[in-house]
Amino acid sequence: NAGVTQTPKFRILKIGQSMTLQCTQDMNHNYMYWYRQDPGMGLKLIYYSVGAGITDKGEVPNGYNVSRSTTEDFPLRLELAAPSQTSVYFCASSSRVGNEQFFGPGTRLTVL
Amino acid sequence: AQKVTQAQTEISVVEKEDVTLDCVYETRDTTYYLFWYKQPPSGELVFLIRRNSFDEQNEISGRYSWNFQKSTSSFNFTITASQVVDSAVYFCALSEGGGSYIPTFGRGTSLIVHP
Repeated sequence: NAGVTQTPKFRILKIGQSMTLQCTQDMNHNYMYWYRQDPGMGLKLIYYSVGAGITDKGEVPNGYNVSRSTTEDFPLRLELAAPSQTSVYFCASSSRVGNEQFFGPGTRLTVL
Repeated sequence: AQKVTQAQTEISVVEKEDVTLDCVYETRDTTYYLFWYKQPPSGELVFLIRRNSFDEQNEISGRYSWNFQKSTSSFNFTITASQVVDSAVYFCALSEGGGSYIPTFGRGTSLIVHP
């Protein structure tokens, strides 16, 4: 099993550009999450999903959108990138509520 | 609302020293889960332990041990005889029913183990 995979690993965007961060898991987990990690700030939840077709906002959803058309995929869309979105983005999944999360390797995004 | 506090931003020790990483949480729920994750310099996040609120038994796994005390709302992590490979950022996390069991993470403690 590959677990949770994320692409790309690194990306540099110009202000105002858009992009999609891809996340795929092969563990048949219903729960998937997107976090951003800023230095010294821990992990902040952007969006999460409890199953295909169901998504909900986390703590810092502004400037992002998600979709969940399949169990495996949970892409994160950035529209009109801003320097404040410079961060490391982690996708995670879990089999059920209260269980541990499995994390992808992260995407380091820089917006200039 | 849920909250996880890791008051130690950075800890520096010399190899073979014992070190304890503190985690204090806040919740009004009686059912909740606590976690520790490790983030080594390579950047990935690795699950270490999960504990539910009904199980206060301490746990030991090799050089790692965890002390869960509901009376003080703490879930502390001790590394015995630390090694350079233990150098990482360690995160404590809480998930509770009031928050739909979506985990909230502390800010992390950076542990530096010097040879």
